[in-house]
Amino acid sequence: NAGVTQTPKFRILKIGQSMTLQCTQDMNHNYMYWYRQDPGMGLKLIYYSVGAGITDKGEVPNGYNVSRSTTEDFPLRLELAAPSQTSVYFCASSYRRKETQYFGPGTRLLVL
Amino acid sequence: DQQVKQNSPSLSVQEGRISILNCDYTNSMFDYFLWYKKYPAEGPTFLISISSIKDKNEDGRFTVFLNKSAKHLSLHIVPSQPGDSAVYFCAASNNTDKLIFGTGTRLQVFP
Repeated sequence: NAGVTQTPKFRILKIGQSMTLQCTQDMNHNYMYWYRQDPGMGLKLIYYSVGAGITDKGEVPNGYNVSRSTTEDFPLRLELAAPSQTSVYFCASSYRRKETQYFGPGTRLLVL
Repeated sequence: DQQVKQNSPSLSVQEGRISILNCDYTNSMFDYFLWYKKYPAEGPTFLISISSIKDKNEDGRFTVFLNKSAKHLSLHIVPSQPGDSAVYFCAASNNTDKLIFGTGTRLQVFP
């Protein structure tokens, strides 16, 4: 089992560019989440999904989009990158609500 | 509004001693609490959890205490080891699909 995998590990974007952060889990988990962590801060929930075809906003959804076409994949899309989106992004999954969330290794994004 | 607070950004403890990490919350509807540990350049990993129907949960060297009246939980690590040096996040959940994380406490265990 690979668990939760994220690609890329690191990316530099110019302002206004777009990109997709990939997240895949092989644990057959229903729930998937995207968080961002800014320096000295906790993890803030961007979007989450309770199953294929169902997504919902978290605390900080502005500037991002998600889709969940399969149980395994939960990509996060940045359409017009802004310096405020410089952060480390973590994807996580869990089988059910209130169960342990398993995190990927993170994607470090720098927007210049 | 920070619903889950970790007021100590860092803690330094000697190897073999007890480490106590604290977490306060404001939402009385939270009924499930977790601690995660994070090493640099890695994702957080689950450490221990507690339901609001309990006031203590133990797993090896790690014990979590919950004081609902004070809206406070703490993580005790005994004995502390150098490998415990990491950032520790507490998180809380109510009857929703989301976890609310604190800002983390960096623990350093020195020889």
